[in-house]
Amino acid sequence: EAQLLESGGGLVQPGGSLRLSCAASGFTFSNYAMSWVRQAPGKGLEWVSTISGTAYSTYIADSVKGRFTISRDNPKNTLFLQMDSLRVEDTAVYYCAKTQVLYDHDYWGQGTLVTVSS
Amino acid sequence: QSALTQPASVSGSPGQSITISCTGTSSDVGGYKFVYWYQQHPGKAPKLIIYDVTNRPSGVSNRFSGSKSGNTASLSISGLQAEDEADYYCSSYASSSHLLFGGGTKLTVL
Repeated sequence: EAQLLESGGGLVQPGGSLRLSCAASGFTFSNYAMSWVRQAPGKGLEWVSTISGTAYSTYIADSVKGRFTISRDNPKNTLFLQMDSLRVEDTAVYYCAKTQVLYDHDYWGQGTLVTVSS
Repeated sequence: QSALTQPASVSGSPGQSITISCTGTSSDVGGYKFVYWYQQHPGKAPKLIIYDVTNRPSGVSNRFSGSKSGNTASLSISGLQAEDEADYYCSSYASSSHLLFGGGTKLTVL
C-alpha cells in the first residue's frame, strides 16, 4: 500500500523560505502525478500544485504562482515544494497526495504544518 | 477561479439518506467528468470516496454515490451511520489544468 510522509514544516517569518519534502513508498513513484494540497487552520482544502510522473509538466495555483515551485526526484521517490516569499496567509497544514490518473488523489500523507508569523 | 459552492452543514438521523451539493460553472463541474469527493475526519487526512463523478474506489462503501447535472454535482449517503459524521469536500478539474475545491460541508449524524 502506498505511504507518504511529509517533512520540513515549521515556523518561518514573513518573506522567508521553506522546503517541504514528501517521501513515498509502496508504489512505483515515477508512474504517478503528485500534488500538494493545503488546509489553513479551521478552513477547507486548497489545491497548491501538481507535477506529472516524469516531471515534464507542472501546474500551480494562482495564489502561489511565482513563489512556490514543485519538483520531484524519482530515483529517491521524493516530492518537494520550495516555498519562497512566504506570507502569513500561507499558514496551513500541507499535504502531499498521490493521484490515480488526473487529480483523483487516492493516497495522502499525514501533513506538515507551516506557520508564517513574525 | 472561485471555489466551488457547498452547503456549510447538513444533518441526518441514523439510517436516513442525505445529499450534499457542489455547484460550479461550465468551466469546471459542468465542463468535465472529473469531479471528486473527499471525506475528512477531524485531525485526519482526506480520503477519496468518489472519483470521475460516479466511481467509488475499492473499499469505499456502496452507501456513497455521486452524480452530476449541469454545473452541480452531488454526493449522496444512504443508511447514515455515526461513522459518517465528518467534513466532505468536492473538487473538480477546471480550465487551465487547475483543480478547485469546495468550501466543505460538515455532516452531523443526529
